[in-house]
Amino acid sequence: GEKVEQHESTLSVREGDSAVINCTYTDTASSYFPWYKQEAGKGLHFVIDIRSNVDRKQSQRLIVLLDKKAKRFSLHITATQPEDSAIYFCAASIGGSNYKLTFGKGTLLTVTP
Amino acid sequence: ETAVFQTPNYHVTQVGNEVSFNCKQTLGHDTMYWYKQDSKKLLKIMFSYNNKQLIVNETVPRRFSPQSSDKAHLNLRIKSVEPEDSAVYLCASSWGYENTLYFGAGTRLSVL
Repeated sequence: GEKVEQHESTLSVREGDSAVINCTYTDTASSYFPWYKQEAGKGLHFVIDIRSNVDRKQSQRLIVLLDKKAKRFSLHITATQPEDSAIYFCAASIGGSNYKLTFGKGTLLTVTP
Repeated sequence: ETAVFQTPNYHVTQVGNEVSFNCKQTLGHDTMYWYKQDSKKLLKIMFSYNNKQLIVNETVPRRFSPQSSDKAHLNLRIKSVEPEDSAVYLCASSWGYENTLYFGAGTRLSVL
């Protein structure tokens, strides 16, 4: 089955800097790549996603890049703010189905003022 | 804005007991899920259910079973808990299987 590796287990940046979280996947059939954020004691909250028909997507301060040849995707958070501090999970889905969604292990992002 | 509600927030029990967790969504979604999040934050899907079918992850032990009264509710029952069942159980919902997941805050289970 699909395996998703999230390369940074922790990441610390200063407020205003950019943060980049990298993920790789194994199954070339994966076509949907969402990112979720989890704050302490809470459930996951959707932040942004990308599908395999594009290689870049932006939503305000969030940019997600997809390199299908390398089977790699990344989340870029620009102009970070302390409230961006959370655990970020990448995920990959074969065929775009949530049932076949495989999550990475999460990256704890800390933004220091 | 919370729209997926889970109860209880926290439950402590002993090995061999039966437990049930509740989940209700007010988003009008037709698909609901249960995920297990272990102590290392790793997420694994356990079940997904819509008004047409229940899909069970084959790695889930038989002591776990989902229970649904309608498309807004999907409860989780564990017949005889084991120590390895200690985890956070997250409920989620979506429109169909191909849209964004909305998660509840989770139920933390501790098995003594």
